[in-house]
Amino acid sequence: AQSVTQPDIHITVSEGASLELRCNYSYGATPYLFWYVQSPGQGLQLLLKYFSGDTLVQGIKGFEAEFKRSQSSFNLRKPSVHWSDAAEYFCAVGVKLTGGGNKLTFGTGTQLKVEL
Amino acid sequence: DAGITQSPRHKVTETGTPVTLRCHQTENHRYMYWYRQDPGHGLRLIHYSYGVKDTDKGEVSDGYSVSRSKTEDFLLTLESATSSQTSVYFCAISEGGGTYEQYFGPGTRLTVT
Repeated sequence: AQSVTQPDIHITVSEGASLELRCNYSYGATPYLFWYVQSPGQGLQLLLKYFSGDTLVQGIKGFEAEFKRSQSSFNLRKPSVHWSDAAEYFCAVGVKLTGGGNKLTFGTGTQLKVEL
Repeated sequence: DAGITQSPRHKVTETGTPVTLRCHQTENHRYMYWYRQDPGHGLRLIHYSYGVKDTDKGEVSDGYSVSRSKTEDFLLTLESATSSQTSVYFCAISEGGGTYEQYFGPGTRLTVT
């Protein structure tokens, strides 16, 4: 069965500093990988996704992620964090369901705090 | 933003009562999903639908049932609510599987007392 590990529960960075959020997955085949962001009291918003091709993918809000098959990782990065980036971030792996569609297996999330 | 609404947004109910949560979409997407979010667990799939009247179980389906009589509506029912079902429930939709992303609704916070 697939699984996702986000080893950092909380991360605090200063505004303007760079950010890297870690994600490791376990899945036997080529994974579909996603990063979502959740602001307090809100639903989840897709930041970016990877399914094949270029291993460095660009997303919204200046985020990017790099897929490394050898390390089973899909880390999220941003060169300069803004105060509005404070939120909870979820990594997910998607597996096709028998009826179609995807089952997303999520990590437990990383809470990002941004210090001004 | 994808046109997904959930109702109610907040509900408090007593143990043993039935509860129905509604998800409504205006995107005409084929696939709809119900997840629950609990601290330390991320989101977990309860049930999903791959078309009108076509549904299947996810990983945490015990105590829940679903129905989809129209493309735009996906209902989640707790037949007899228990305190362990206190959670935030999210509906999601997608056009397809594989590379297709899921779009999430705003969530319903359910408290079972």
